Amino acid sequence: KNEVEQSPQNLTAQEGEFITINCSYSVGISALHWLQQHPGGGIVSLFMLSSGKKKHGRLIATINIQEKHSSLHITASHPRDSAVYICAPEGGSNYKLTFGKGTLLTVNP
Amino acid sequence: DAGVIQSPRHEVTEMGQEVTLRCKPISGHNSLFWYRQTMMRGLELLIYFNNNVPIDDSGMPEDRFSAKMPNASFSTLKIQPSEPRDSAVYFCASSHEEGQPQHFGDGTRLSIL
Repeated sequence: KNEVEQSPQNLTAQEGEFITINCSYSVGISALHWLQQHPGGGIVSLFMLSSGKKKHGRLIATINIQEKHSSLHITASHPRDSAVYICAPEGGSNYKLTFGKGTLLTVNP
Repeated sequence: DAGVIQSPRHEVTEMGQEVTLRCKPISGHNSLFWYRQTMMRGLELLIYFNNNVPIDDSGMPEDRFSAKMPNASFSTLKIQPSEPRDSAVYFCASSHEEGQPQHFGDGTRLSIL
C-alpha cells in the first residue's frame, strides 16, 4: 500500500505570495496526479506527471521519482486559488490512485 | 463538451433502503472509476472498469456494494441494504485510457439516516 504524506495540511497565504505544497509517497509509481477540490466539492485534475516538471499558467508541478517526492507550486497566488489540493500517486503495476489527505489552501486578499 | 454526469446530486434515505447511483462517462472514454470521499478516510477508490469490464474491485467495502457497467456510456453503483456509515460523497470519474488524466463528475452526496 502506498503511504502518501502531504504537507502542510493547512496553509494560509496573502494574495500574491508564492505557494508550495509537498507530497511524499512510499512505493514506486508510474505517475502522480495533482487534483484541486473547491469548497463546492467538485474535483479537477490539474496535472498528471511521471518525470520532471509541468507548467500550466501560474501552476507548476515537479516530481523526483528517485526521491519519491512531488511539489505543487502556485505563483502570484489569488483568492480564487483557495481550495484543497490533493496528491494522488498512481500504482506502478496498475492504474489505481492512492490519495493524500489534502492541503487546505486559503489565500486572503 | 459534456463532462462526467452523475445522478442524483443528493440522496437522503433511511437505512435498509436500496440506493442506486448513476454515472455517464465522457463519450469516448474507456476507463471509469468510482470513488468515495469521507471526512475520516478522504478519497478512496472503490472500483474501476476498463472497456466496461471490472478491473479492480478491491476497494468495494463489502457485499452490500455492487457496481455494473452494462455499456460504454453508463455505470451504476448500488448499495443494498444501505447503512448510516455509507454516508459520503461518491464520485465517478472517467479517462480516455488507463493511465490518463481523470475527469470527475460533481459527485453524489449520500446521507443514510
